[in-house]
Amino acid sequence: GAGVSQSPSNKVTEKGKDVELRCDPISGHTALYWYRQRLGQGLEFLIYFQGNSAPDKSGLPSDRFSAERTGESVSTLTIQRTQQEDSAVYLCASIRGLVAASSTDTQYFGPGTRLTVL
Amino acid sequence: KNQVEQSPQSLIILEGKNCTLQCNYTVSPFSNLRWYKQDTGRGPVSLTIMTFSENTKSNGRYTATLDADTKQSSLHITASQLSDSASYICVVSAGGGSYIPTFGRGTSLIVHP
Repeated sequence: GAGVSQSPSNKVTEKGKDVELRCDPISGHTALYWYRQRLGQGLEFLIYFQGNSAPDKSGLPSDRFSAERTGESVSTLTIQRTQQEDSAVYLCASIRGLVAASSTDTQYFGPGTRLTVL
Repeated sequence: KNQVEQSPQSLIILEGKNCTLQCNYTVSPFSNLRWYKQDTGRGPVSLTIMTFSENTKSNGRYTATLDADTKQSSLHITASQLSDSASYICVVSAGGGSYIPTFGRGTSLIVHP
C-alpha cells in the first residue's frame, strides 16, 4: 500500500497484560514517530527514529514503554504491564526526509491503534 | 515551554457557511506551522504548511494565514461541506534542528445539513 499502516486497529486488554503495536511506514521514509492521543488531548510525542541513528526516547512516559525499529522498516511499540491510563489512540507517522519537523516535509500518519485497558 | 493553543474547542455550523479556526503559539525559534485535518478514527492529514515568510496558503476551500509577529494563525473554511466535519489540528515546529513538533488539542468542527 501507499500509506502508513498500523495494526491492530483496536486492542482491548486487561490491566497488567503486555501489548505490542505495529507500524508499517511508507517505503523509503527514513524517519518514524510514535504519538499518543488521549481523548480530547493533543498528540503527545513518544519516540522518534531516524534511519540507523539512536532513537530519541525522551517522550516515553515510563519504562513500561519501549519501541524498536530495524533500519527504515517496521516499528513496534510495546507497553508492558498495561495500566488504565495507557488507554489512548497510538499513532505512527513517517517522513521522507532526514531532518523532520524543522523541514517542510510532511508527516504521513497511520490510522492509529485504539488501545483500551480494562 | 513550547505551546500551541487552539480556539474554539468545538464549532457547529450549517452546510454552506464559512468558518475560521484560530491557533496561537509560543514556539521558538519558529520554523513552520501546519494545519491537519483528522477525521474520526483516522490519522491526521496535512492541509497546509507555512514557513516564516508565508502569510497565506490555500488548499481548495481551505485557506490558512500566518502572522509570525503576533504568533497567530487561522484556518478559514469556505462553503463548508458535510465532509468537513472533523478535528482540525494546528502543529508548530521549532527550528534549530528540532524534530519534535508541538500539537494543539484541535478544534472539533461539525457541519450540519
